[in-house]
Amino acid sequence: EDQVTQSPEALRLQEGESSSLNCSYTVSGLRGLFWYRQDPGKGPEFLFTLYSAGEEKEKERLKATLTKKESFLHITAPKPEDSATYLCAIPTSGTYKYIFGTGTRLKVLA
Amino acid sequence: GAVVSQHPSWVICKSGTSVKIECRSLDFQATTMFWYRQFPKQSLMLMATSNEGSKATYEQGVEKDKFLINHASLTLSTLTVTSAHPEDSSFYICSASSLVVAREQYFGPGTRLTVT
Repeated sequence: EDQVTQSPEALRLQEGESSSLNCSYTVSGLRGLFWYRQDPGKGPEFLFTLYSAGEEKEKERLKATLTKKESFLHITAPKPEDSATYLCAIPTSGTYKYIFGTGTRLKVLA
Repeated sequence: GAVVSQHPSWVICKSGTSVKIECRSLDFQATTMFWYRQFPKQSLMLMATSNEGSKATYEQGVEKDKFLINHASLTLSTLTVTSAHPEDSSFYICSASSLVVAREQYFGPGTRLTVT
């Protein structure tokens, strides 16, 4: 069964304290892993797509990496404006419908 | 690029009435649009998938007669909540994808529906 699990569920960091969010997945034939950021009361904002193990993508303080079993979203020297829920998603086997993880709620304290 | 809009951003309606939510892809042609529902502090729940010019495909447990979806063009999909009840109150989010080019889904800002 296709599955996506994110950890931790919630994370509180001090400004400047780097950390990583985890997204573990199980799917028959990965056709992309997607990271999104969601602010309260808003739709998810696209961050990255990763297609193959070893691939890395960067955007400002965020860096996403992918292995055959999991993806990490590394946040370097976070700022309070990085506070949000971070979601990862994969297409289900044979379709383009997403399975979402339950998300990691990140709070960065000034 | 890849901007998706939704209208209205919030709506309050009375029980028994119908509400229409529009989802537009502003700068690309969306071959597929998805409609999600999200409850507080929960992840997104897919309601249905629609392809331009075709009938929508609904997820198990979603009443297709209650949640009418139309995808009449490559830039517009609508969700109509018919005979709304308080339990239909939720945050509805659409996404759009140009599967010819990429598999990313780009999400709208969401519509907060409150049924009184």
